[in-house]
Amino acid sequence: EPEVTQTPSHQVTQMGQEVILRCVPISNHLYFYWYRQILGQKVEFLVSFYNNEISEKSEIFDDQFSVERPDGSNFTLKIRSTKLEDSAMYFCASSSRTSIFAKNIQYFGAGTRLSVL
Amino acid sequence: AQKITQTQPGMFVQEKEAVTLDCTYDTSDQSYGLFWYKQPSSGEMIFLIYQGSYDEQNATEGRYSLNFQKARKSANLVISASQLGDSAMYFCAMREGNAGGTSYGKLTFGQGTILTVHP
Repeated sequence: EPEVTQTPSHQVTQMGQEVILRCVPISNHLYFYWYRQILGQKVEFLVSFYNNEISEKSEIFDDQFSVERPDGSNFTLKIRSTKLEDSAMYFCASSSRTSIFAKNIQYFGAGTRLSVL
Repeated sequence: AQKITQTQPGMFVQEKEAVTLDCTYDTSDQSYGLFWYKQPSSGEMIFLIYQGSYDEQNATEGRYSLNFQKARKSANLVISASQLGDSAMYFCAMREGNAGGTSYGKLTFGQGTILTVHP
């Protein structure tokens, strides 16, 4: 069964460093997302991406964040200068389409736990 | 106002019994979708079940069913014949539409309910 793959599973970094979280969405999916979950809290939307551009982003997704689809398979989230409060689980998700009238499921990866020290 | 409210921080159920996890939502859209995801202690998010706002029948997926009451804006998850492996965090989420029935697909999640299944 196709799945969303995220690497690494755990990333430890120093405050102020840049990190890149990687995701390989399901191969025939066209819509890609990043969410984050601070420990013990709910899952929060960061950004959606379609046709090589951001389609929607949240207030959390400020100038320190960027996303890219560098090739036909990878989807990355970059945090330029990490802060302590960026420590969280980051989930990548993908779906085949987004029509509200269709049963479009977002499939999530297993997540990358980011620890900023 | 919270768009998705899960009022039960924790629930306990005996193995083989049924359990209902509550979810209420708030939207002014006519077209929306409701989802339930399971998050075991290992951390991954597993899709369980989906209900569209125009679906006339309650969704079912194996042991999972969704008790959808549109007028009350509730979408409760029912797990029948609970198993020890059902112990996990459960999240209710909503995808809202916009004009024309399109949506960028953003999901809004509730706070989650931790379900513990006792042997």
